[in-house]
Amino acid sequence: AQSVTQLGSHVSVSEGALVLLRCNYSSSVPPYLFWYVQYPNQGLQLLLKYTTGATLVKGINGFEAEFKKSETSFHLTKPSAHMSDAAEYFCAVGDSGSARQLTFGSGTQLTVLP
Amino acid sequence: EAQVTQNPRYLITVTGKKLTVTCSQNMNHEYMSWYRQDPGLGLRQIYYSMNVEVTDKGDVPEGYKVSRKEKRNFPLILESPSPNQTSLYFCASSRQGIQPQHFGDGTRLSIL
Repeated sequence: AQSVTQLGSHVSVSEGALVLLRCNYSSSVPPYLFWYVQYPNQGLQLLLKYTTGATLVKGINGFEAEFKKSETSFHLTKPSAHMSDAAEYFCAVGDSGSARQLTFGSGTQLTVLP
Repeated sequence: EAQVTQNPRYLITVTGKKLTVTCSQNMNHEYMSWYRQDPGLGLRQIYYSMNVEVTDKGDVPEGYKVSRKEKRNFPLILESPSPNQTSLYFCASSRQGIQPQHFGDGTRLSIL
Protein backbone atom coordinates (compact mmCIF):
# COMPACT_ATOMS: atom_id res chain seq x y z
CA ALA A 1 0.00 0.00 0.00
CA GLN A 2 1.14 3.52 -0.69
CA SER A 3 0.73 6.61 1.43
CA VAL A 4 1.58 10.30 1.44
CA THR A 5 2.37 12.63 4.33
CA GLN A 6 2.35 16.38 3.87
CA LEU A 7 3.98 18.14 6.79
CA GLY A 8 2.15 21.31 7.73
CA SER A 9 -1.50 21.76 6.87
CA HIS A 10 -0.95 25.54 6.72
CA VAL A 11 2.16 27.39 5.55
CA SER A 12 2.56 31.17 5.45
CA VAL A 13 5.30 33.00 3.60
CA SER A 14 5.94 36.61 2.72
CA GLU A 15 5.73 37.73 -0.87
CA GLY A 16 9.16 37.20 -2.45
CA ALA A 17 10.24 34.60 0.08
CA LEU A 18 11.10 30.97 -0.59
CA VAL A 19 8.20 28.52 -0.72
CA LEU A 20 8.88 25.02 0.64
CA LEU A 21 6.06 22.49 0.91
CA ARG A 22 7.03 19.10 2.26
CA CYS A 23 5.90 15.71 1.01
CA ASN A 24 7.03 12.26 2.11
CA TYR A 25 5.70 9.08 0.60
CA SER A 26 5.80 5.36 1.06
CA SER A 27 5.57 2.92 -1.78
CA SER A 28 6.63 -0.69 -2.24
CA VAL A 29 7.51 -0.11 -5.90
CA PRO A 30 9.11 2.79 -7.76
CA PRO A 31 6.60 5.57 -7.42
CA TYR A 32 5.03 8.07 -9.73
CA LEU A 33 4.85 11.40 -7.86
CA PHE A 34 2.71 14.44 -8.52
CA TRP A 35 2.00 17.88 -7.15
CA TYR A 36 -1.40 19.42 -7.81
CA VAL A 37 -2.70 22.89 -6.95
CA GLN A 38 -6.29 23.80 -6.12
CA TYR A 39 -7.52 27.37 -6.28
CA PRO A 40 -10.76 28.26 -4.47
CA ASN A 41 -13.88 26.72 -6.00
CA GLN A 42 -11.90 24.95 -8.69
CA GLY A 43 -10.70 21.47 -9.48
CA LEU A 44 -7.10 20.36 -9.20
CA GLN A 45 -4.47 21.37 -11.73
CA LEU A 46 -1.23 19.52 -12.30
CA LEU A 47 1.88 21.48 -11.25
CA LEU A 48 4.50 18.86 -12.00
CA LYS A 49 5.15 15.14 -12.07
CA TYR A 50 7.96 12.65 -11.63
CA THR A 51 7.79 9.27 -13.33
CA THR A 52 11.33 8.29 -14.30
CA GLY A 53 14.58 9.98 -15.25
CA ALA A 54 15.80 13.31 -13.93
CA THR A 55 15.06 13.67 -10.23
CA LEU A 56 14.71 17.46 -10.34
CA VAL A 57 11.43 18.24 -11.98
CA LYS A 58 10.34 21.66 -13.15
CA GLY A 59 6.69 22.57 -13.33
CA ILE A 60 4.47 25.47 -14.16
CA ASN A 61 4.49 28.89 -12.48
CA GLY A 62 8.14 28.57 -11.40
CA PHE A 63 7.66 25.56 -9.12
CA GLU A 64 10.01 22.62 -8.96
CA ALA A 65 10.39 19.45 -6.91
CA GLU A 66 13.17 16.98 -6.29
CA PHE A 67 12.67 13.26 -5.95
CA LYS A 68 14.96 11.92 -3.22
CA LYS A 69 14.66 8.17 -3.04
CA SER A 70 16.87 7.82 0.04
CA GLU A 71 14.65 10.24 1.95
CA THR A 72 11.37 9.11 0.31
CA SER A 73 10.63 12.77 -0.25
CA PHE A 74 9.28 14.96 -3.03
CA HIS A 75 9.29 18.49 -1.63
CA LEU A 76 7.90 21.37 -3.67
CA THR A 77 9.81 24.66 -3.87
CA LYS A 78 9.60 28.05 -5.49
CA PRO A 79 12.35 30.64 -5.03
CA SER A 80 10.09 33.67 -4.75
CA ALA A 81 6.45 33.57 -3.68
CA HIS A 82 3.83 35.61 -5.46
CA MET A 83 0.43 36.58 -4.14
CA SER A 84 -1.17 34.47 -6.88
CA ASP A 85 0.48 31.33 -5.42
CA ALA A 86 -1.98 31.33 -2.52
CA ALA A 87 -3.87 28.06 -2.88
CA GLU A 88 -4.05 24.52 -1.54
CA TYR A 89 -1.35 22.12 -2.69
CA PHE A 90 -1.63 18.35 -2.83
CA CYS A 91 1.12 15.79 -3.18
CA ALA A 92 0.11 12.44 -4.68
CA VAL A 93 1.79 9.09 -5.22
CA GLY A 94 0.93 6.41 -7.72
CA ASP A 95 2.04 2.84 -8.13
CA SER A 96 4.16 2.68 -11.27
CA GLY A 97 3.55 -1.05 -11.47
CA SER A 98 -0.22 -1.09 -11.76
CA ALA A 99 -0.82 2.59 -12.58
CA ARG A 100 -4.35 2.18 -11.29
CA GLN A 101 -4.65 4.24 -8.13
CA LEU A 102 -3.46 7.62 -7.01
CA THR A 103 -3.13 8.36 -3.29
CA PHE A 104 -3.28 12.01 -2.20
CA GLY A 105 -1.86 13.72 0.83
CA SER A 106 -4.10 15.77 3.09
CA GLY A 107 -3.04 19.04 1.49
CA THR A 108 -1.15 22.18 2.50
CA GLN A 109 -2.84 25.57 2.43
CA LEU A 110 -0.33 28.20 1.33
CA THR A 111 -0.89 31.80 2.41
CA VAL A 112 1.24 34.56 0.88
CA LEU A 113 1.55 37.67 3.02
CA PRO A 114 2.11 41.10 1.46
CA GLU B 1 -11.56 22.84 -25.30
CA ALA B 2 -10.43 19.77 -23.34
CA GLN B 3 -12.55 19.39 -20.27
CA VAL B 4 -14.18 17.19 -17.68
CA THR B 5 -17.75 18.25 -16.98
CA GLN B 6 -19.61 17.38 -13.82
CA ASN B 7 -23.28 17.96 -13.08
CA PRO B 8 -24.75 19.19 -10.90
CA ARG B 9 -22.23 21.56 -9.34
CA TYR B 10 -24.27 21.86 -6.15
CA LEU B 11 -26.98 19.64 -4.69
CA ILE B 12 -28.82 19.61 -1.39
CA THR B 13 -30.96 16.53 -0.84
CA VAL B 14 -32.33 14.28 1.86
CA THR B 15 -31.27 10.93 3.27
CA GLY B 16 -32.32 7.96 1.18
CA LYS B 17 -33.23 9.79 -2.02
CA LYS B 18 -31.25 8.25 -4.88
CA LEU B 19 -29.05 10.63 -6.83
CA THR B 20 -26.65 10.53 -9.73
CA VAL B 21 -23.72 12.83 -10.41
CA THR B 22 -22.75 12.81 -14.06
CA CYS B 23 -19.23 13.10 -15.41
CA SER B 24 -18.29 13.48 -19.04
CA GLN B 25 -14.92 14.01 -20.73
CA ASN B 26 -14.21 15.05 -24.30
CA MET B 27 -10.60 13.89 -24.55
CA ASN B 28 -11.18 10.23 -25.45
CA HIS B 29 -9.43 9.24 -22.23
CA GLU B 30 -9.45 5.61 -21.17
CA TYR B 31 -9.04 6.18 -17.44
CA MET B 32 -11.64 7.89 -15.27
CA SER B 33 -11.93 8.21 -11.53
CA TRP B 34 -14.08 9.62 -8.75
CA TYR B 35 -12.73 11.23 -5.58
CA ARG B 36 -14.26 12.82 -2.53
CA GLN B 37 -12.54 15.70 -0.76
CA ASP B 38 -13.03 16.27 2.95
CA PRO B 39 -11.23 18.83 5.16
CA GLY B 40 -7.98 17.46 6.55
CA LEU B 41 -8.25 14.24 4.57
CA GLY B 42 -7.25 15.36 1.09
CA LEU B 43 -8.79 13.48 -1.82
CA ARG B 44 -9.79 9.88 -1.42
CA GLN B 45 -10.53 7.67 -4.39
CA ILE B 46 -14.01 6.14 -4.56
CA TYR B 47 -13.98 4.18 -7.82
CA TYR B 48 -11.94 4.14 -10.98
CA SER B 49 -12.29 2.76 -14.47
CA MET B 50 -9.49 1.66 -16.76
CA ASN B 51 -11.78 1.46 -19.80
CA VAL B 52 -15.35 0.81 -20.92
CA GLU B 53 -17.03 -1.86 -18.77
CA VAL B 54 -13.95 -2.05 -16.50
CA THR B 55 -14.42 -0.55 -13.04
CA ASP B 56 -12.80 -1.18 -9.69
CA LYS B 57 -13.05 -0.01 -6.11
CA GLY B 58 -10.86 2.72 -4.73
CA ASP B 59 -10.21 3.38 -1.07
CA VAL B 60 -13.73 4.45 -0.01
CA PRO B 61 -16.31 2.70 -2.24
CA GLU B 62 -18.98 1.94 0.39
CA GLY B 63 -22.33 3.51 -0.46
CA TYR B 64 -21.43 4.33 -4.06
CA LYS B 65 -21.91 2.72 -7.44
CA VAL B 66 -20.48 3.56 -10.85
CA SER B 67 -20.88 2.42 -14.42
CA ARG B 68 -18.84 2.87 -17.59
CA LYS B 69 -21.01 2.04 -20.57
CA GLU B 70 -19.41 4.62 -22.82
CA LYS B 71 -15.87 5.88 -22.90
CA ARG B 72 -16.78 9.51 -22.28
CA ASN B 73 -19.20 9.05 -19.33
CA PHE B 74 -18.62 7.82 -15.79
CA PRO B 75 -21.61 8.56 -13.54
CA LEU B 76 -21.46 8.26 -9.76
CA ILE B 77 -24.59 6.84 -8.16
CA LEU B 78 -25.64 7.15 -4.54
CA GLU B 79 -28.50 4.66 -4.17
CA SER B 80 -29.40 5.64 -0.61
CA PRO B 81 -27.43 8.73 0.39
CA SER B 82 -26.58 9.34 4.03
CA PRO B 83 -25.28 12.45 5.81
CA ASN B 84 -21.73 11.04 5.98
CA GLN B 85 -21.63 11.30 2.19
CA THR B 86 -21.85 15.08 2.41
CA SER B 87 -18.67 16.11 0.65
CA LEU B 88 -17.03 17.71 -2.37
CA TYR B 89 -16.75 15.26 -5.23
CA PHE B 90 -14.35 15.35 -8.17
CA CYS B 91 -14.29 13.39 -11.38
CA ALA B 92 -11.00 13.04 -13.23
CA SER B 93 -9.75 11.47 -16.44
CA SER B 94 -6.45 10.65 -18.07
CA ARG B 95 -5.21 9.09 -21.25
CA GLN B 96 -3.85 6.05 -19.49
CA GLY B 97 -3.80 4.96 -15.88
CA ILE B 98 -2.74 7.48 -13.27
CA GLN B 99 -0.86 9.66 -15.72
CA PRO B 100 -1.66 13.31 -15.10
CA GLN B 101 -5.33 13.60 -14.58
CA HIS B 102 -7.69 16.31 -15.74
CA PHE B 103 -10.16 17.25 -13.03
CA GLY B 104 -13.67 18.55 -13.21
CA ASP B 105 -14.70 21.61 -11.21
CA GLY B 106 -16.33 19.55 -8.48
CA THR B 107 -19.80 18.77 -7.16
CA ARG B 108 -20.72 19.84 -3.66
CA LEU B 109 -23.26 17.44 -2.17
CA SER B 110 -25.14 18.08 1.06
CA ILE B 111 -27.18 15.17 2.42
CA LEU B 112 -29.61 16.25 5.15
